[in-house]
Amino acid sequence: NAGVTQTPKFRVLKTGQSMTLLCAQDMNHEYMYWYRQDPGMGLRLIHYSVGEGTTAKGEVPDGYNVSRLKKQNFLLGLESAAPSQTSVYFCASRLGTANSYEQYFGPGTRLTVT
Amino acid sequence: EDKVVQSPLSLVVHEGDTVTLNCSYEVTNFRSLLWYKQEKKAPTFLFMLTSSGIEKKSGRLSSILDKKELFSILNITATQTGDSAVYLCAVLFSGGYQKVTFGIGTKLQVIP
Repeated sequence: NAGVTQTPKFRVLKTGQSMTLLCAQDMNHEYMYWYRQDPGMGLRLIHYSVGEGTTAKGEVPDGYNVSRLKKQNFLLGLESAAPSQTSVYFCASRLGTANSYEQYFGPGTRLTVT
Repeated sequence: EDKVVQSPLSLVVHEGDTVTLNCSYEVTNFRSLLWYKQEKKAPTFLFMLTSSGIEKKSGRLSSILDKKELFSILNITATQTGDSAVYLCAVLFSGGYQKVTFGIGTKLQVIP
C-alpha cells in the first residue's frame, strides 16, 4: 500500500514550457486535491476532484488544468509555465464518506520555472 | 473573505516546555477544523474538531475548538526535539465540494 505518490519529485522548466504532474493513490479514495505551497502563503487549493471524471476549481486555478480519467490518478497540467508557478506542489486524497475528513498527502513536487 | 490565521508564526522552546499554538478563523459555512504536522515533506493529520469544548488528545498533543469565539488551540506538553515542525491549521467547509482552507502555519523549533 503505497498511499499517495507524486511524479516527478523535482523539475526545472523554462518559461513557456509545459508539463504534467502525476498523482496516484491506491486507497480507493473518491476525493483528490492539488495544492501549491509557497513561503508565507500556506497551502492553497488549485483544483480538486470529487470522483472519476469530475474536476473543479479551487482558490488559485489560473494557469493550471487537471484531469481525472481514472479514479486512482489525478493529473495537474501547466500549459505554459511562468516563474510565478515556482512552488512545491502537493497532491492529497481522502475517502469521501461522511466522517472521513483526513486528507492523505503525497511527498510533494518541487517545481522551478526559470 | 474566508480567513484562517495562526499565531505565533514561529516559536523556539526548550525540550520539556509546554507550548500552545493558536488558530482563529473567519469563514462562511464552517464544518470542521483540522490540525496537521508538517516536517520536511508532506503534512500528516493530527486532529479533526467539529464540536465546541470537546478536547481531542493523542499522547502529549491535545486540541480544543471554540465555535463561539472562532478559534482552536493545539497544546503540546513535555516537548521533544521530534516535535519540531510546522503545524498547520485548516478549516473544512460544509457544502457539496468540501473545500479546505489552510493557515500559513506555526513553525515550532524545540532545542535540547
